[in-house]
Amino acid sequence: AQRVTQPEKLLSVFKGAPVELKCNYSYSGSPELFWYVQYSRQRLQLLLRHISRESIKGFTADLNKGETSFHLKKPFAQEEDSAMYYCALNLRGGGAQKLVFGQGTRLTINP
Amino acid sequence: DTEVTQTPKHLVMGMTNKKSLKCEQHMGHRAMYWYKQKAKKPPELMFVYSYEKLSINESVPSRFSPECPNSSLLNLHLHALQPEDSALYLCASSHPGQGTYEQYFGPGTRLTVT
Repeated sequence: AQRVTQPEKLLSVFKGAPVELKCNYSYSGSPELFWYVQYSRQRLQLLLRHISRESIKGFTADLNKGETSFHLKKPFAQEEDSAMYYCALNLRGGGAQKLVFGQGTRLTINP
Repeated sequence: DTEVTQTPKHLVMGMTNKKSLKCEQHMGHRAMYWYKQKAKKPPELMFVYSYEKLSINESVPSRFSPECPNSSLLNLHLHALQPEDSALYLCASSHPGQGTYEQYFGPGTRLTVT
């Protein structure tokens, strides 16, 4: 089955500490993966996509096909990073982008 | 304009009512999406329109009827809903095709079925 697994529903770290949000996927083809974020009272928005290999707001994510993972990392967490994070996989069906989301991880950065 | 707008923000309807949700974007995107999000759950894809044609229907019950009257508008017509249909309904848009495009999400319509 094609799916995305985020094993941690809740993650709490202190400001300045490193943070890693885990994402594992199951997909038979070459995966296209994204991280979307939802800050409090804001709409869901794209944070990273694997193809761009860039750092956004200090976050990076590397696709590891051997471990079927796309973990999100930041070396020094900031309070404004507190949010809901979703890992998403593009199933590419019907001539359109077809995203399936993981269950999400709520990240809380403590002062 | 890089926003997706959705109206209404909140909707309460009875099981015999007919109502519609509206979504609008002016980014020139030719793919538009409807998602359903229950509390503390991720968004679940319902429908995808590509170039104003329905390209994906994720086996959604017929009491939900999507419509894409033009490239900027997406509607979701609701009829004879059940209480379990209460949820946040999200609209999104992107460039069309199967590529790694960013989807732009609206703020959602919070629907309560009584």
